[in-house]
Amino acid sequence: QKEVEQDPGPLSVPEGAIVSLNCTYSNSAFQYFMWYRQYSRKGPELLMYTYSSGNKEDGRFTAQVDKSSKYISLFIRDSQPSDSATYLCATLNDYKLSFGAGTTVTVRA
Amino acid sequence: SAVISQKPSRDICQRGTSLTIQCQVDSQVTMMFWYRQQPGQSLTLIATANQGSEATYESGFVIDKFPISRPNLTFSTLTVSNMSPEDSSIYLCSVGGQTSSYNEQFFGPGTRLTVL
Repeated sequence: QKEVEQDPGPLSVPEGAIVSLNCTYSNSAFQYFMWYRQYSRKGPELLMYTYSSGNKEDGRFTAQVDKSSKYISLFIRDSQPSDSATYLCATLNDYKLSFGAGTTVTVRA
Repeated sequence: SAVISQKPSRDICQRGTSLTIQCQVDSQVTMMFWYRQQPGQSLTLIATANQGSEATYESGFVIDKFPISRPNLTFSTLTVSNMSPEDSSIYLCSVGGQTSSYNEQFFGPGTRLTVL
């Protein structure tokens, strides 16, 4: 069983829509949950991370963690064409990141 | 965050040869890591590059195939040895431990390797 499973997508949404991205993880001991954004032919860029359960908001981005169901979500409000990228969820355990396979999002103008 | 560069950015290599990838950071960092990103798959940690000691490899990766050097706190190399087409991938270095939060890891732009 993979440590992190991510909804594969791809997703295509109109500009201004809410984008919802989801992952599940297997190890209940994980405490840190990360979201990275990767543009084509670039390295992953850390968007935000959360510790334990709860929500974290940063501008148009909201990360949610539900440890009871081992579920991780990222919401992008008022999506823009510049948000078009691959989004990677990851868990951090002992400095080691375990990634989902990524979801490619296209925001249509 | 740190500025991370990798060389080369891409290369096409022949089967059986070796390629050394360099990772340079603009500030001293405690931790450096090497990842592989195969087409359509998630990033997979190859090893942790430890300054002054041997790298720590993850299951499925061995030093003979992926020797790593970490001569100082700003530089590391990964060599992909005796390459086969299955080694075609993007190789990325990441760094962590710069700030008070050891939970933030930042990635370089990657090296796109094609093995013929």
